[in-house]
Parts: sequence; structure tokens; C-alpha cells
Amino acid sequence: DAGVIQSPRHEVTEMGQEVTLRCKLISGHNSLFWYRQTMMRGLELLIYFNNNVPIDDSGMPEDRFSAKMPNASFSTLKIQPSEPRDSAVYFCASSTDSSNEKLFFGSGTQLSVL
Amino acid sequence: AQSVAQPEDQVNVAEGNPLTVKCTYSVSGNPYLFWYVQYPNRGLQFLLKYITGDNLVKGSYGFEAEFNKSQTSFHLKKPSALVSDSALYFCAVRDYSGTYKYIFGTGTRLKVLA
Repeated sequence: DAGVIQSPRHEVTEMGQEVTLRCKLISGHNSLFWYRQTMMRGLELLIYFNNNVPIDDSGMPEDRFSAKMPNASFSTLKIQPSEPRDSAVYFCASSTDSSNEKLFFGSGTQLSVL
Repeated sequence: AQSVAQPEDQVNVAEGNPLTVKCTYSVSGNPYLFWYVQYPNRGLQFLLKYITGDNLVKGSYGFEAEFNKSQTSFHLKKPSALVSDSALYFCAVRDYSGTYKYIFGTGTRLKVLA
């Protein structure tokens, strides 16, 4: 298995543009987490899905952020419009449904909003 | 609400010396506790977890962690540090009695000096 796959690895965009980050889960995993990492705030949980259903989106900072799971193996995180303060590394991670299981992380998307 | 605290931003240790990276947690029920490591430009990787049973948990790369319920701590340890252990370490807690949110601490940078 190739692991959790995120694309793109790097994204540079201008303020106001729409940004879409993509994540492919490991086959057989049905829990999906989106995190944002910055020096100032560390690793923040943005949203958590289980079986394609959003369970907790309390970490999504604003309405400019939205996340979807159109199918069991794929998720997108969209920022529209983007702002410079959205610059961060965005990680997705997946696991099986069992609550004692570890997370498998993707390599992250480095987002820079100019 | 559940939370994790890593009181040290950075820990420096000489190669060959024992190392400890501290973590305390707060959950409403019994916790599932995890340690992850992050190398530069990579996603987080699982090191070890405590679910139940023996308070001393052994994990990857010679690391171990001790669960202390009375002190609500889960410190990461290694008897003899290697330069290659230098990385960013994250403690995490998952509250299985609620929404199964996976919450990470702010991270501790470990520097092992040759």
C-alpha cells in the first residue's frame, strides 16, 4: 500500500484565490482527519470524518474552509478565498474505525498564500 | 474537554545519555495515549501507544513511555539517545468515550548532541 497520499506537496497562491488540497486514504481505513501545522499554533485538528460523515468540524477556522469526502477513499479541503494567514502545512491522516488505532499521516501540503 | 500538554519546547541531551520528553493529559474518561515523531518535511510517524495494561509501553526505535494515572502523565523515554533521534515529538490523546477526537500536544523538539 502506498500510504496516505496528499497533493499537491507545495502550493503557492495569491490572496483571494481558491485552494483545494487533496487526500487519498489508505485502503480499508474509514476515519479521516485534517490537521494544520504552524510554528505558532502547532498541530491543530480541523475536521474529522468517520465513514464519510463529518463527526467534528469545530476546528475549522472559518466559513472559508470546507472539507468533503465524496467517497470512502478520497477527501478534499478547500479554502475560498484564501488569505496569507492560511499559510501552513496541511496534513491528512487516516486510520481504521477502532478508537485505539494509530494514525497514518500523509507527507503534507505546504501552502503559501501571498 | 480533552487536552495534552508538552511543557518543554525543546530538550537537549548528549548522545548516549538517557532522554525524557514530558507529556501530561486531561480527559474525562480513560485515555488512549500515543507518541509520534516528525522528521523534517515529513508527516508524523507512530512510535507507541498506551491503551490498557502494563504502565510501561515499549515502541519503535528503542523508545518507551510510562503511563502514570495519578499524575496524568505519559512521558517518553529512551535509555541511550542517538543523534538520529533528533526530531519533533508529539504526544496525543484520544478520548474513546466521546467523539474520538485525536488531539495532539504542541510538540517538543529533541536535539541530541554528538
